[in-house]
Amino acid sequence: DTEVTQTPKHLVMGMTNKKSLKCEQHMGHRAMYWYKQKAKKPPELMFVYSYEKLSINESVPSRFSPECPNSSLLNLHLHALQPEDSALYLCASSQVKAGGPSNEQFFGPGTRLTVL
Amino acid sequence: QKEVEQNSGPLSVPEGAIASLNCTYSDRVSQSFFWYRQYSGKSPELIMSIYSNGDKEDGRFTAQLNKASQYVSLLIRDSQPSDSATYLCAVSRSTLGRLYFGRGTQLTVWP
Repeated sequence: DTEVTQTPKHLVMGMTNKKSLKCEQHMGHRAMYWYKQKAKKPPELMFVYSYEKLSINESVPSRFSPECPNSSLLNLHLHALQPEDSALYLCASSQVKAGGPSNEQFFGPGTRLTVL
Repeated sequence: QKEVEQNSGPLSVPEGAIASLNCTYSDRVSQSFFWYRQYSGKSPELIMSIYSNGDKEDGRFTAQLNKASQYVSLLIRDSQPSDSATYLCAVSRSTLGRLYFGRGTQLTVWP
């Protein structure tokens, strides 16, 4: 299995809702990532987990809360989002080499989030 | 100066032609270089990785790296309409998981 899966594919939420995005990989990768991508822009890194520990937080607002329950799963908990948070949210995974995560990252299909 | 810059698009080539996509990067300590293809509304797909100077070929794709010139390119031979997509150049300085992306070049291959 060489795939990263994400659920849901689409999500519409109000500004007062709480929702979660889920990501799963079965490639034995020990680094997982969350990215945000707006239309016609490149992906922006949000968080990096290495061996289930948060290693990078790119100063993301606290309304986004990541969680890595095990080596295969990555969640992104959403609360009190703003309309400008509407975007494609991408999960990626990679191997971890001696010095840290390999940067050959493989992306999931993404969750298209709309905040009303 | 941006970390990673790509040649401004869009790029349009006829079917069967060679498409040439270029990318320059600003940090000389960059170690790893990647090309991702992204179809409209889809997620990025890794198509090439290159780590040392020279050429790396995979099917119709050839990546070229010149660290002295801080330049990486992607050539697509025998371009097909299915190659029409945005191509993202990504560069890494270390193994900490951070990729620096260019803004992408939109390629259209017309029949």
